[in-house]
Amino acid sequence: KAGVTQTPRYLIKTRGQQVTLSCSPISGHRSVSWYQQTPGQGLQFLFEYFSETQRNKGNFPGRFSGRQFSNSRSEMNVSTLELGDSALYLCASSLQLGGYTFGSGTRLTVV
Amino acid sequence: AQSVTQLGSHVSVSEGALVLLRCNYSSSVPPYLFWYVQYPNQGLQLLLKYTTGATLVKGINGFEAEFKKSETSFHLTKPSAHMSDAAEYFCAVSGRGTGANNLFFGTGTRLTVIP
Repeated sequence: KAGVTQTPRYLIKTRGQQVTLSCSPISGHRSVSWYQQTPGQGLQFLFEYFSETQRNKGNFPGRFSGRQFSNSRSEMNVSTLELGDSALYLCASSLQLGGYTFGSGTRLTVV
Repeated sequence: AQSVTQLGSHVSVSEGALVLLRCNYSSSVPPYLFWYVQYPNQGLQLLLKYTTGATLVKGINGFEAEFKKSETSFHLTKPSAHMSDAAEYFCAVSGRGTGANNLFFGTGTRLTVIP
């Protein structure tokens, strides 16, 4: 069965712009979570959505937001981009607790 | 609250030698524990996980890990390293029964395999 699909794979944006990243989970998985990976901070949890509701949120500013659609696909949005937002953004889908499958990520570069 | 400490940000082993990557966790509730591997420019691939039951967990590519509650450890081992094992490895924990479905990751260990 198809894995977790993230689009686009690479993105270059200018400071101050906004960006939207997409994640399609494994079929049947209703939980989608997002992580940011940077060399300095490592892997940090952004938020989790389950059945279109944000169930859990990490410690990120309000510029980072997300949503989930009825087909479980999820998007995350970052507004007013800063240089420090440059990172690999990873999406993971799961069937409740205990199993997380990650996508290949979206590499965002802010210039 | 949950957290993970991975001892050693870089580990080098010779091809054919034992691989041992260390992970200690902290959790206020019974944990789920995971090891992931990441190759350059890739996402995270699950190697193995402990949820309940047998404390010695076998994963893909010959890796295994043992959950030791008394030591709060979940070290990853492989009897014989292969060149293809060179990658970054992450230990992670989530809290069972917390209602929170997110992972707390360690800072990672980069494994180098010397031919």
